[in-house]
Amino acid sequence: KAGVTQTPRYLIKTRGQQVTLSCSPISGHRSVSWYQQTPGQGLQFLFEYFSETQRNKGNFPGRFSGRQFSNSRSEMNVSTLELGDSALYLCASSTLAGGPSGANVLTFGAGSRLTVL
Amino acid sequence: TQLLEQSPQFLSIQEGENLTVYCNSSSVFSSLQWYRQEPGEGPVLLVTVVTGGEVKKLKRLTFQFGDARKDSSLHITAAQPGDTGLYLCAGFSNDYKLSFGAGTTVTVRA
Repeated sequence: KAGVTQTPRYLIKTRGQQVTLSCSPISGHRSVSWYQQTPGQGLQFLFEYFSETQRNKGNFPGRFSGRQFSNSRSEMNVSTLELGDSALYLCASSTLAGGPSGANVLTFGAGSRLTVL
Repeated sequence: TQLLEQSPQFLSIQEGENLTVYCNSSSVFSSLQWYRQEPGEGPVLLVTVVTGGEVKKLKRLTFQFGDARKDSSLHITAAQPGDTGLYLCAGFSNDYKLSFGAGTTVTVRA
């Protein structure tokens, strides 16, 4: 069973550019969540999509956006990149929409490491 | 400000020693999860605890969820080099968001 696939694994951008990251969830998983991981802040929740609808959103500026397609694949976009956007961006998929149930098991991808120069 | 505070931030021990990692919050969580993340990989779920006072064992790992569902601990007995990694606790709050602690970096020396 294929895991969560994130592309690209590494990328370097300069300030002001934009970037699009892709996430292919485990087959059958309809929920995709995105997290930003930095040494100083740890994992911060960006947003969650379920059946092409954004179900939840973290406290990030509007430069961060995402979408989910009918096949559950998801993309996130960051526009007007800043140096502080350098981070590991992690995607996780699950069968359930975001919720407090202990049955909500997230499977993470290996992440996309973005460096902004 | 982290909703979940983990301590210690770093832990380096000799193989065979025991260790405990703590996860504390002022908020109540409906469930709490522990993950381990290795370099170059995403976090991998170790356990989910749901009931206050619950204790779960996974081989040499013991997880506890506080009675008030605000804190948790992870205890590793007879640590091995393969236990090395970043240990993260994460809690589901009532707004359906999963909040992570900053993590504890554990290094087990052979």
